[in-house]
Amino acid sequence: QSVLTQPPSASGTPGQRVTISCSGSSSNIGSNTVNWYQQLPGTAPKLLIYSNNQRPSGVPDRFSGSKSGTSASLAISGLQSEDEADYYCAAWDDSLNGLKVFGGGTKLTVL
Amino acid sequence: QVQLQESGPGLVKPSQTLSLTCTVSGGSISSGSYYWSWIRQPAGKGLEWIGRIYTSGSTNYNPSLKSRVTISVDTSKNQFSLKLSSVTAADTAVYYCAREVLGYCSGGSCYGPFDYWGQGTLVTVSS
Repeated sequence: QSVLTQPPSASGTPGQRVTISCSGSSSNIGSNTVNWYQQLPGTAPKLLIYSNNQRPSGVPDRFSGSKSGTSASLAISGLQSEDEADYYCAAWDDSLNGLKVFGGGTKLTVL
Repeated sequence: QVQLQESGPGLVKPSQTLSLTCTVSGGSISSGSYYWSWIRQPAGKGLEWIGRIYTSGSTNYNPSLKSRVTISVDTSKNQFSLKLSSVTAADTAVYYCAREVLGYCSGGSCYGPFDYWGQGTLVTVSS
């Protein structure tokens, strides 16, 4: 049972816009920034979004993040086949002397 | 370009101690801007943060693993290490090391995103 809640799956067709939600609480998303990671099959996770809505250099602007209250969202516009991957949200949690928490991951399928 | 590489035994017997090392290249582990973390992922499952260490030796551990985890740093070798004791089959996973960029502080702790990851190493706990 992950501290942050994500839908287990999402799907879309090429060119579509899809969003992935991440729900937390006041001790994590509600008071700290959210990061998103993309994990392609058989590879290590890659930083996709940091500080709620910032893209690292090299990440296409098709990817965007937002946060409101104790929830966050990742949006992917102009969906491409290479976007098929697992996506994880993460945040710092202030409880229990502090720890990093992840969502359970969302498997995105490009139909 | 910063690179992280995990190394260690791929097979550990139940009740024994899992030991892994992460070697950092392309940057100094002694930089004050980063924490150095261990994260694991059981097959087909999500990511679990194990803990982290600062260059000073200060550590934070996941409370669910704290009694069994020790993370240490060797700045002379630009490495940090993980020891997980009394392992069971539930500890079978791909173990990643990662660099955490410090950008925000909350509740007395500072944190940030994991910007560089190792490729991961599979550790199987089995007799």
